[in-house]
Amino acid sequence: EVQLVQSAAEVKKPGESQRISCRASGYIFADYWLAWVRQMPGKGLEWMGVIYPDDADVRYSPSFEGQVTISADKATSTAYLQWNSLEASDTAIYYCARGGDGYNYGAFDFWGHGTLVTVS
Amino acid sequence: DIQMTQSPSTLSASVGDRVTITCRASQNISPWLAWYQQKPGKAPKLLIHMASSLKSGVPSRFSGRGSGTEFTLTISNLQPDDFATYYCQQYNNNLYNFGQGTKLEIK
Repeated sequence: EVQLVQSAAEVKKPGESQRISCRASGYIFADYWLAWVRQMPGKGLEWMGVIYPDDADVRYSPSFEGQVTISADKATSTAYLQWNSLEASDTAIYYCARGGDGYNYGAFDFWGHGTLVTVS
Repeated sequence: DIQMTQSPSTLSASVGDRVTITCRASQNISPWLAWYQQKPGKAPKLLIHMASSLKSGVPSRFSGRGSGTEFTLTISNLQPDDFATYYCQQYNNNLYNFGQGTKLEIK
């Protein structure tokens, strides 16, 4: 069974750094794109970026390029989303989701439960 | 950047109704179009991918059609569990833009 387990909610202060995680199981982590999606309070879904863990190829949405860093650890089947300096506007729920395999574009077929990051 | 526009933003319907949500892309994205359902406080769930392929386990009352730049999600015989927010998404060339969402409310 495919599962994506995300780290717990966090409350941070503006200017602090932060890294949240998404641990995958039930499939070969290295072989599928892994996406991060933001949902600000009461708003819609925004794609932030994707990573292909096998070779650490990362593609960022133009809206998030330079604002966050996406990485992955194949040894622990875990993907990360990192900020160097949080702002109040980063307050949101962040979801990870599995995308396509290395050969095909893919919709996000499995999702984590979301991590609420509050910056205040 | 490919823009995705959904309509309507809000839709009121009754149990048993048939409803259709439209999604338009700013350029040809066929067949890389997905539909998701999201309920309050929950993660989105994939319903349809490749514009018309139902994900395993999704009820057959959900259907997707379209090609090029115009796509639709139709829900037949609405059930109480279907009242939620629906998003379209294009996933062409490793770009994954979502539509702004359609909230389906009980009339």
